[in-house]
Amino acid sequence: KAGVTQTPRYLIKTRGQQVTLSCSPISGHRSVSWYQQTPGQGLQFLFEYFSETQRNKGNFPGRFSGRQFSNSRSEMNVSTLELGDSALYLCASSSETGGRYEQYFGPGTRLTVT
Amino acid sequence: GQQVMQIPQYQHVQEGEDFTTYCNSSTTLSNIQWYKQRPGGHPVFLIQLVKSGEVKKQKRLTFQFGEAKKNSSLHITATQTTDVGTYFCAPFLYSGAGSYQLTFGKGTKLSVIP
Repeated sequence: KAGVTQTPRYLIKTRGQQVTLSCSPISGHRSVSWYQQTPGQGLQFLFEYFSETQRNKGNFPGRFSGRQFSNSRSEMNVSTLELGDSALYLCASSSETGGRYEQYFGPGTRLTVT
Repeated sequence: GQQVMQIPQYQHVQEGEDFTTYCNSSTTLSNIQWYKQRPGGHPVFLIQLVKSGEVKKQKRLTFQFGEAKKNSSLHITATQTTDVGTYFCAPFLYSGAGSYQLTFGKGTKLSVIP
């Protein structure tokens, strides 16, 4: 099976702009989670979607939003970008079958806000 | 939210030496996962521990879950340069109604000197 894919891989934006990142999970996986990774804060959970519904949300401001489509592909959007939003954004999918909840991560999108 | 402390933050070892990273929680964990992230890469799932006192081995890697399910450890025997990376523990928090999230520790960055 193909792994988790994320587009774009790299992005440079200016403060105040908005950005949309895309994630395609492993075929058959219905759960998609998003994480922000920075050197200072580490890996932080943003939100998780399952069957087009947001099941869980981390402690991030409302500028961060997401959605999931019927084919399980997911997007996350960050509006009114701030310098502190510069990070590696990772998407992970999970099958949740047989009591296994391991996350399969994509390569990430490196976002730089100038 | 629930936090885990990972120690040490950094570890430099000579190739062939052993390495251990510890993950400690103030509360009882339902289960815990371990991930490895190579430099420039994304986290890769290693293992999930569920039972009190559980010990699992993967070649030179030994994972343990404490009897009280408040701590976990990863031990690597005879490190190799391929072991370089950051090792994260991540308690899996299931909050009912199908909702869950992984809360990653800050990680232990392992450097192996050839």
